[in-house]
Amino acid sequence: SQTIHQWPATLVQPVGSPLSLECTVEGTSNPNLYWYRQAAGRGLQLLFYSVGIGQISSEVPQNLSASRPQDRQFILSSKKLLLSDSGFYLCAWLKGAGVQGYTFGSGTRLTVV
Amino acid sequence: DQQVKQNSPSLSVQEGRISILNCDYTNSMFDYFLWYKKYPAEGPTFLISISSIKDKNEDGRFTVFLNKSAKHLSLHIVPSQPGDSAVYFCAASGGGGSNYKLTFGKGTLLTVNP
Repeated sequence: SQTIHQWPATLVQPVGSPLSLECTVEGTSNPNLYWYRQAAGRGLQLLFYSVGIGQISSEVPQNLSASRPQDRQFILSSKKLLLSDSGFYLCAWLKGAGVQGYTFGSGTRLTVV
Repeated sequence: DQQVKQNSPSLSVQEGRISILNCDYTNSMFDYFLWYKKYPAEGPTFLISISSIKDKNEDGRFTVFLNKSAKHLSLHIVPSQPGDSAVYFCAASGGGGSNYKLTFGKGTLLTVNP
């Protein structure tokens, strides 16, 4: 079966510390992968997407970066977290053609203190 | 610049009555619209969608209406049930390309009271 794993579920990090959030997909190959963030009082905002290994597109300028070292692995990173990086981070993958096939992970609640 | 707007942050409805959630968009290139449902500490799950070539799509208790001229869509839930209590996100896609990016609204918290 096709599943998406995202961890950790919650994370509290001090300002200036590094960040690494991992997302992995099982049961499929060559999926489109996405990182979304929901900050307080805002909708889900697309941060990065990837259509293949090593291919990363950034949607908004920010303090974060993404990498796709393997076909089914998508990593969100930061060298130094800011308070404004707090939010709910969601990984998603797309199976097949058409946006109806979007599947989201369970999300990571990041609080930067 | 918010291209998908859900102007009601919350909505409270009695069980058995109709819930109507609204969504407006500004980008004329959007050609596919979706509604997602999200429970606390979980990722959103797909609920229902509609293509811009249609004005209505129905799936059980859920119906989505699209008014292209007004750039407005709505989700109707009839009858509403307590288990429908969740945050509902409106999302849109389109403008060409094969990257299937979604633009989301801020969400509306629906509370269905028993």
